Amino acid sequence: AQSVAQPEDQVNVAEGNPLTVKCTYSVSGNPYLFWYVQYPNRGLQFLLKYITGDNLVKGSYGFEAEFNKSQTSFHLKKPSALVSDSALYFCAVRAYNTDKLIFGTGTRLQVFP
Amino acid sequence: DAMVIQNPRYQVTQFGKPVTLSCSQTLNHNVMYWYQQKSSQAPKLLFHYYDKDFNNEADTPDNFQSRRPNTSFCFLDIRSPGLGDAAMYLCATSRDNQRDWDEQFFGPGTRLTVL
Repeated sequence: AQSVAQPEDQVNVAEGNPLTVKCTYSVSGNPYLFWYVQYPNRGLQFLLKYITGDNLVKGSYGFEAEFNKSQTSFHLKKPSALVSDSALYFCAVRAYNTDKLIFGTGTRLQVFP
Repeated sequence: DAMVIQNPRYQVTQFGKPVTLSCSQTLNHNVMYWYQQKSSQAPKLLFHYYDKDFNNEADTPDNFQSRRPNTSFCFLDIRSPGLGDAAMYLCATSRDNQRDWDEQFFGPGTRLTVL
């Protein structure tokens, strides 16, 4: 079965510090992995995706994610957190041979001034 | 700017009173999706269209229906809303489902309240 796990319900970090939001996956075939961010009362915004190639993917708003095949992980990172990064973050994988995204349960990021 | 638009942003209906939520897109994408999201949980796919082909999720209640009259518009009809249907409803599009790596573009959502 294909799945995505986000082991942390909430991540707290001080502004200016690096942040990591964790994601692990289980898929058949090549994984197509995505990160989305959701601000309160808004839809999901695409941040970045991994298709193939370089394991470090750079995305919007200074975010990046590292694909690690051996650990089946796709952690979201940012070198210096901003208070405005506080939001709900979803990792997702495209299910093999379907149209569907499988979402993780989400991680709430709280950045404190 | 090309985008996904949902109207209304907030909808209040009464228990059992039919309601329709609207989604339009200027991206000219082939695929349109409807998701239900409850209180910061992961979005739950209800159904999607690839062009005019309708694909219903097995666990989507019959109370939920959808229409896609043309490429740009897609509607979610809730025939008899129950209290448990109160949620955020998200519309999304993607260019072509034959390209597994295409991201989905989401609208801002419609928050449905059932009284």
